[in-house]
Parts: sequence; structure tokens; C-alpha cells
Amino acid sequence: KNEVEQSPQNLTAQEGEFITINCSYSVGISALHWLQQHPGGGIVSLFMLSSGKKKHGRLIATINIQEKHSSLHITASHPRDSAVYICAVLWGTSYGKLTFGQGTILTVHP
Amino acid sequence: DVKVTQSSRYLVKRTGEKVFLECVQDMDHENMFWYRQDPGLGLRLIYFSYDVKMKEKGDIPEGYSVSREKKERFSLILESASTNQTSMYLCASSFRGGQYFGPGTRLLVL
Repeated sequence: KNEVEQSPQNLTAQEGEFITINCSYSVGISALHWLQQHPGGGIVSLFMLSSGKKKHGRLIATINIQEKHSSLHITASHPRDSAVYICAVLWGTSYGKLTFGQGTILTVHP
Repeated sequence: DVKVTQSSRYLVKRTGEKVFLECVQDMDHENMFWYRQDPGLGLRLIYFSYDVKMKEKGDIPEGYSVSREKKERFSLILESASTNQTSMYLCASSFRGGQYFGPGTRLLVL
């Protein structure tokens, strides 16, 4: 079964801290998404990766295809970063169907 | 700018009612999806469609049907709503792996 494992499930940080969320998957993929969902809000795709690293503002996403692992880093975290972060993968020719991790609930305190 | 809209943000229905959830995208995407999101279970795929009048079951299709008569519109139908269908329902469209989510419909079945 194609699986996506995300850790940690819950993460609490103080404002300014460096944050890392991890994602592992079981078989080869065509791409990986990092998604963000604020409380009561819709889901936004932060990054789509198939190799290497991407950066947007204080957010950095990396992927290691050989190790089947991806990380999402947040530098200088802020209370507005508090959200659920979800890793989701695309397997091959799947019409864009995603398989999701369970999500990481991030709370950043001022 | 990409836009996926859903017909309602909040909906309250009675057990046994027929419920229609509508999703519209303005990007001419071929692939569209219906997910439900539940605490502890994450996001699960109900149905998806890869073209007009084409549909495939996802992981949890029981109790649901879908309709895609036009490319921009994908409807989710609960034939006879039950309390265990109380959930957050999210629509998405996809193109070349990119994922675009609607704001979600929070459905309460009494």
C-alpha cells in the first residue's frame, strides 16, 4: 500500500524558532506537495517538488528522492504560521490524485 | 488567478435528505476531486473526474455519487444523508500536478 507518514503530529514553538516538519513515503513518486490549512480555512499548496529544494519567503521545502523523504522548514517562525501542514504525494500517472499524510498541527506562541 | 468555488460554506441537513454540493473551477482543468476531511483521519478521496461525464471512485465512495456534465462543474451528491456524513467537504482541481482547493463546505447532518 502506498503510504505517507508525517511527523510530528503536533508541534508547539515560540516565535522566532526554526521549525522542521518531516514526511516519508513508501514508493517512488512523481511529485510531492506541502499544503497549509489555517483554522477554519481552505487548503493552499505551498510547494510542489519533484527534486531538490524550493524557497518562498521564510519557507523552505526539500526532497530526497533516493531516501523517499521531504522536509518543510520555517525560519523565524511567527504566530501567523500557526496552521495544519500536510504532506501529499502524486504517484505516477494518477490524474493528479493525491495521497495525504495525517498533517502536523503547528502552534507558534508569541 | 486560479479559483475554485464551492456552493456553500456551511450546510445543515436532516437525516435522509438528498444533499447536493457543487464545485466550480474557472481554470479549464480536466481533473477534479471531492475529498472529505475528518479529525484524526485526515483527507480522504471520495470521487474524482478526469473529464466531462468521466468519474472514478476514490477511497470512500459509499453513500455518495457525483456528476460532471460540464468541465467547470463537479457535483457531489449524498443520496440519503446520514449522521456519519457530517464532515468538511473539499473540492479541488488539478493541472499538471498542481492542486487548487476550494474553501470547503462544513456539512452537519442531524
